[in-house]
Amino acid sequence: GAGVSQSPRYKVTKRGQDVALRCDPISGHVSLYWYRQALGQGPEFLTYFNYEAQQDKSGLPNDRFSAERPEGSISTLTIQRTEQRDSAMYRCASSAGWGQPEAFFGQGTRLTVV
Amino acid sequence: GQQVMQIPQYQHVQEGEDFTTYCNSSTTLSNIQWYKQRPGGHPVFLIQLVKSGEVKKQKRLTFQFGEAKKNSSLHITATQTTDVGTYFCALNYGGSQGNLIFGKGTKLSVKP
Repeated sequence: GAGVSQSPRYKVTKRGQDVALRCDPISGHVSLYWYRQALGQGPEFLTYFNYEAQQDKSGLPNDRFSAERPEGSISTLTIQRTEQRDSAMYRCASSAGWGQPEAFFGQGTRLTVV
Repeated sequence: GQQVMQIPQYQHVQEGEDFTTYCNSSTTLSNIQWYKQRPGGHPVFLIQLVKSGEVKKQKRLTFQFGEAKKNSSLHITATQTTDVGTYFCALNYGGSQGNLIFGKGTKLSVKP
C-alpha cells in the first residue's frame, strides 16, 4: 500500500477482553516494529520482526502481549485480558531494511480499556 | 540494556531564536535517526546519521553525530511556528534491520 495502515483507529474495550490490533506495512518492507506511546512520551519499543521472524520481543510488558507476522507482511498485536493500564496509542512502523532503515509510521490505534 | 537520554524534555522559545536538542547513548551506535512528531500526528523521519563526526544540514536544521558515535544533536536556527512539535532521536543498534529505540523526545513550542 501507499503507507502503513493500522486498524482499527480507535478501540474501546472492557477490562478483561482480548483485543487484536492490525498493522499492514508498506509493501515489500522487511522490518516491522510495534511501539506503545503514552501522551507526551516517546514511542516505547514493544517488538519487531524481520520478514516473519520475531527478532526481539523484549519490550512486551508481560505475557498478555503477543505479536505475529506469519507471512512476513501483515502483523497482529494481541493483548489478552486487557487492563486499564494497557490504554495507550499503539503504533506500528515499517522499514525497507537493506541500508534503508527509515521507519514509516502508521496513524496508530488508540486503545481505551474501560 | 540499551539506554538513551534526550535533553531537554521541553523547550519554549520566541520565534526567531535558536533551538538545540541532545541525545546520548550509553553504548556505541550503528547509526542514529531523528524524527519529528507534530501535535496529534505520528513520528516522521527527518534524517539518518551514520559516520563518526558526521554533520548534515536541511535548510535551518543541522544534525551532528559525535565522534564516538554515542551522541547526537539537532539544532534549529531561527525557529518558526512551523517547527512546533516533538523531536525524537532513534537509536539503531543493529544496522538497517536492527532494533530502533526512541528517546523520550524534546517538545518544542514557539511563541510568535
